[in-house]
Amino acid sequence: QVQLVQSGAEVKKPGSSVKVSCKASGGTFRNYAISWVRQAPGQGLEWMGTIIPIFGTSNYAQKFQGRVTITTDESTRTDYMELSSLRYEDSAVYYCARGDIAAADFRHWGQGTLVTVSS
Amino acid sequence: DIQMTQSPSSLSASVGDRVTITCRASQDISIYLAWFQQKPGKAPKSLIYAASSLQSGVPSKFSGSGSGTDFTLTISSLQPEDFATYYCQQYNVYPRTFGQGTKLEIK
Repeated sequence: QVQLVQSGAEVKKPGSSVKVSCKASGGTFRNYAISWVRQAPGQGLEWMGTIIPIFGTSNYAQKFQGRVTITTDESTRTDYMELSSLRYEDSAVYYCARGDIAAADFRHWGQGTLVTVSS
Repeated sequence: DIQMTQSPSSLSASVGDRVTITCRASQDISIYLAWFQQKPGKAPKSLIYAASSLQSGVPSKFSGSGSGTDFTLTISSLQPEDFATYYCQQYNVYPRTFGQGTKLEIK
């Protein structure tokens, strides 16, 4: 069974960057699509991007193009999401998710990481 | 982008009731539709994929149906732990999009 454990809460200043990690256990590390989804306070779920390393593909939401990068490190079984040029409205809980490589769906979720952008 | 519209946005029901939540896609997504349950302060939990397939470990009281643009999630014999917010999501094309959520509350 795949389990995903994310890094702890972050407080960042506007204009800075944040890098959130997501450590995976269980399953064959390479055989998954890796996605990140965020949820602003009191709001719904918003997809940010998906990579499928075994296919070498990446897709990002237009809204975050140029600001978000999803990477993965097989040696440490850890996925990362880096968001740059942070704005106050980027304050949210960020979730990693792993899913089937064909469907690139969201079957397994991390517990979430709260990122607060504050001056 | 494909818009996913859920109805109702909120729903009150009693323990033991059966409820149905509807999700409509703005264009054909075949069966590439998932349902998630989210409780306050927790990560979403995958319930159903491919419109009607139950994720491993999810009780059979949850069922999904539909294809194309119209989908439903039905929860039978509601228990206190079922009161949560439910989201549909399409994974037919990028960008992936979610419905706005349906909050299921105890009457």
